[in-house]
Amino acid sequence: GNSVTQMEGPVTLSEEAFLTINCTYTATGYPSLFWYVQYPGEGLQLLLKATKADDKGSNKGFEATYRKETTSFHLEKGSVQVSDSAVYFCALSLNNAGNMLTFGGGTRLMVKP
Amino acid sequence: GAVVSQHPSWVICKSGTSVKIECRSLDFQATTMFWYRQFPKQSLMLMATSNEGSKATYEQGVEKDKFLINHASLTLSTLTVTSAHPEDSSFYICSARQGAVETQYFGPGTRLLVL
Repeated sequence: GNSVTQMEGPVTLSEEAFLTINCTYTATGYPSLFWYVQYPGEGLQLLLKATKADDKGSNKGFEATYRKETTSFHLEKGSVQVSDSAVYFCALSLNNAGNMLTFGGGTRLMVKP
Repeated sequence: GAVVSQHPSWVICKSGTSVKIECRSLDFQATTMFWYRQFPKQSLMLMATSNEGSKATYEQGVEKDKFLINHASLTLSTLTVTSAHPEDSSFYICSARQGAVETQYFGPGTRLLVL
C-alpha cells in the first residue's frame, strides 16, 4: 500500500535557524508529492508540490526535492520565522488511485523568538 | 483563486441532535469533494469522497448512516452528523478538486463539540 512517514515532532527552533522536516514515502507507482501547512485552528494550505523525480517545489522560502532513489521529499527552509510555527503535513497522490491524498502524521514546528 | 469555505466554523450541540456542515468551492467547480476528520494532534483521516450528483464513497469504518454526505451541486457538499454523541467531537475538514487533477484545496475546517 501507499504510506507517508514524517519525523515526529514537535520541532522547536529559534528564529533564523535552519529547518529540515524529513518525509519518506512508499508507493505502488510514481506519486506526486506535497507539503501542506496547517496554522492553528485552520484548515490545510498547499505549501508546495513536486510531480516527478528531481523536481524541486518551493514557496515562501520553503523547498523540497523529489528524490526517487531515497523515496524522500524532505522540507527545508534556510531561516525560519515565528510566523512559520504550524503543523506540516507531507502527502502523496497517485494518478492510478484517483489522485487520493495519503497524509503523513504531521510535524509540529514551534519557532521561538 | 481556488478558495473553499466551510460553515459553520464552530458548532456546539447537545448529544442526540444532528449537525449539518457545508463545504463550498467559491471560484471553481468542484466535481469531487472530500471529507476528513482530524483528532487533536493527529493527521487527517479521510472519511468519504463525494462526486457531484452521485452517492458518496465511504472509507472503511465510517458509518454512512451516521455521516450523511450530499454533493448536490458543483459548488456545494454537505456533511450531516446524525444523532451526534460526544465521541463525534472533532475537527472536520473538507477539500475540493476540479476534475481529476491532483491538487485538492482545503476548507478552513469546522470544529464540532458535542456535549
